[in-house]
Amino acid sequence: AQSVTQPDIHITVSEGASLELRCNYSYGATPYLFWYVQSPGQGLQLLLKYFSGDTLVQGIKGFEAEFKRSQSSFNLRKPSVHWSDAAEYFCAVGTINDMRFGAGTRLTVKP
Amino acid sequence: SAVISQKPSRDICQRGTSLTIQCQVDSQVTMMFWYRQQPGQSLTLIATANQGSEATYESGFVIDKFPISRPNLTFSTLTVSNMSPEDSSIYLCSAGQYTEAFFGQGTRLTVV
Repeated sequence: AQSVTQPDIHITVSEGASLELRCNYSYGATPYLFWYVQSPGQGLQLLLKYFSGDTLVQGIKGFEAEFKRSQSSFNLRKPSVHWSDAAEYFCAVGTINDMRFGAGTRLTVKP
Repeated sequence: SAVISQKPSRDICQRGTSLTIQCQVDSQVTMMFWYRQQPGQSLTLIATANQGSEATYESGFVIDKFPISRPNLTFSTLTVSNMSPEDSSIYLCSAGQYTEAFFGQGTRLTVV
């Protein structure tokens, strides 16, 4: 069965610092992988997705993620965090009719 | 992409009552889904809303508690019936094509 693990429940970074959010997945075939962001009181917004091809994918708001099949990982990165990036981040795997979400990582940004 | 609108955005309801949440998509979509996000938790799929047929429910969710309608390719409703405080959650509507899902802003439900 497919599943997603986000090991970090809460991360705090200083504004301007780099960020990496971890995501590990379990999936029987080539996975479809996603990162979503949820700002307080809002729905989910798609940051980026991976289906195939280049393992480094670029997303919106300056985010990128790298698919590493050998490590079953799809970590999200940003070189310089802005205060507006404070939110909950969800990694997900699967197609839309069978999508599994991780528990989420809450990002706090210190001034 | 698809823009999804949910109504209401939030509500406070008395236990034992029911609430119907509406979800409108700005384009025709094959698949629509309803998720529950309990406080501090991730998303759990409640059901897939099928146009022209009954919804398909995930384990742990039943039609009597969460009846769903899907009258056309752009609209769906989820009803939370006979509510209890344990139903206090964010309910999210989702829609899309095979490889990408879009989400509404959610309905924050508090049952008192």
